[in-house]
Amino acid sequence: QVQLQESGPGLVKPSETLSLTCTISGGSISYISYCWGWIRQPPGKGLEYVGSICYSGNTYFNPTLKSRITMSIDTPKNEFSLNLSSLTAADTAVYYCVRPVSYSPMDGFHIWGPGTMVAVSS
Amino acid sequence: QSALTQPASVSGSPGQSVTISCAGTSSDVGAYDYVSWYQQHPGKAPKLIISDVSRRPSGVSDRFSGSKSANTASLTISGLQADDESDYYCSSFTSYSTHVFGGGTKVTVL
Repeated sequence: QVQLQESGPGLVKPSETLSLTCTISGGSISYISYCWGWIRQPPGKGLEYVGSICYSGNTYFNPTLKSRITMSIDTPKNEFSLNLSSLTAADTAVYYCVRPVSYSPMDGFHIWGPGTMVAVSS
Repeated sequence: QSALTQPASVSGSPGQSVTISCAGTSSDVGAYDYVSWYQQHPGKAPKLIISDVSRRPSGVSDRFSGSKSANTASLTISGLQADDESDYYCSSFTSYSTHVFGGGTKVTVL
């Protein structure tokens, strides 16, 4: 059974770049062409889609964040990553890594990591 | 793109049914059958309970059902139970090749 686990710094300074990694266990990131994504949730608020990266190389990004996002896949390490630049306090959130219920990047998100809290503060 | 519109809260007594609406546009809910619903208990990751408008993943109770008409999707919880008290979010794929979520609905079991 595929499981996801986020890892990251916890606290980042404004204007810096956030780097998060999602490690996949119970399956290979390259075995089937799933797309792998990130969703975030500011404290006490709702969910916000950040973006997805497919093993094919296709990417899908939230238009409001697109200019600040880079995503990558590391096949040997069986993980994928999110970089979010020019951070502000508005980027403070729990960040979840996710996988859709099917091979379609348009589908809902079935597998979720437990989430990692990221605070942006000086 | 704007968030999908959900009521802030709904409530019902045990055994009753409640329905949560999710209003979108012809660029998201109305354009695709990729509407999903999530249940989120406090401090936990969301759980997918409905995908593709009305499909339940394995292990999800059949008390949860989804539907869609034009630009509005709905989630119905029948036979309301205490454990159903939670936050619920809808989401949809959009014509901008991204996903958009609703603001969330808190379900209270009276």
